[in-house]
Amino acid sequence: GAGVSQSPSNKVTEKGKDVELRCDPISGHTALYWYRQSLGQGLEFLIYFQGNSAPDKSGLPSDRFSAERTGGSVSTLTIQRTQQEDSAVYLCASSLDRRTNEKLFFGSGTQLSVL
Amino acid sequence: GNSVTQMEGPVTLSEEAFLTINCTYTATGYPSLFWYVQYPGEGLQLLLKATKADDKGSNKGFEATYRKETTSFHLEKGSVQVSDSAVYFCALSVPNFGNEKLTFGTGTRLTIIP
Repeated sequence: GAGVSQSPSNKVTEKGKDVELRCDPISGHTALYWYRQSLGQGLEFLIYFQGNSAPDKSGLPSDRFSAERTGGSVSTLTIQRTQQEDSAVYLCASSLDRRTNEKLFFGSGTQLSVL
Repeated sequence: GNSVTQMEGPVTLSEEAFLTINCTYTATGYPSLFWYVQYPGEGLQLLLKATKADDKGSNKGFEATYRKETTSFHLEKGSVQVSDSAVYFCALSVPNFGNEKLTFGTGTRLTIIP
C-alpha cells in the first residue's frame, strides 16, 4: 500500500483479555518498529525488526508483550492478560533499512483502551 | 542514557505569530536530531533533521539548529498558520552499529487560532 497500515484503529477490551494489533508496513521496507504513546508520555520504543535478524526486544515492558513478523512483512503485537496501564496508542513504523532509521514512516496507530 | 526534554504544552498562538518550541537532549556519542510532526488524524512524519553540530534543518518554514554547546534543537517558525496546528515531537538517534532507535520527547501540542 501507499503507507503503513495499522488495524484496528481502536480497540476496547476488558482487563485480563488478550489483544492482537496488526501492522502492515510499506512494501519493501525491511525495518519495522513498534512504539507506544501514552498520555503525557513520549513515544516509548517497544520492539524492532530488521530483515531476518533477531528482533531487538529491549523495549518490551513485560513478558505479557510479544511481537512477531511473518515473512518479513506484516507484524503482530500481542498483549496477554491486558492491564489498565496498557491503555495507550500503539504506533508502528517502517523504514527502508536500519541505516536510514530517521526516515521512519508511521501508521496512524491503534488506540487501545483497557477497561 | 539518551533522553529528550521538550517544552510542555499545549501552546496556543495567533496566526502569524512567532513560534519557538524548546528541545534539549542528553546523549552518549554524537546524536542526530529530528523534529517529527503529527497532524490531526494522521501518522507522525519527519519535519526536519540535523546530523551534526551547527547544522540547520529546515522545512515548510520551520527551522532548527543543532547546538552542541547547549545540547539544544529548538524549533522555530517566523509566522505560523492555522494549518501548523499539530503535535510536535523532538527526537534523537545515536549511532549504534546500524541499529539506531529513535528516542522521542513527550510532544508539544500546538494550536493556532485565526
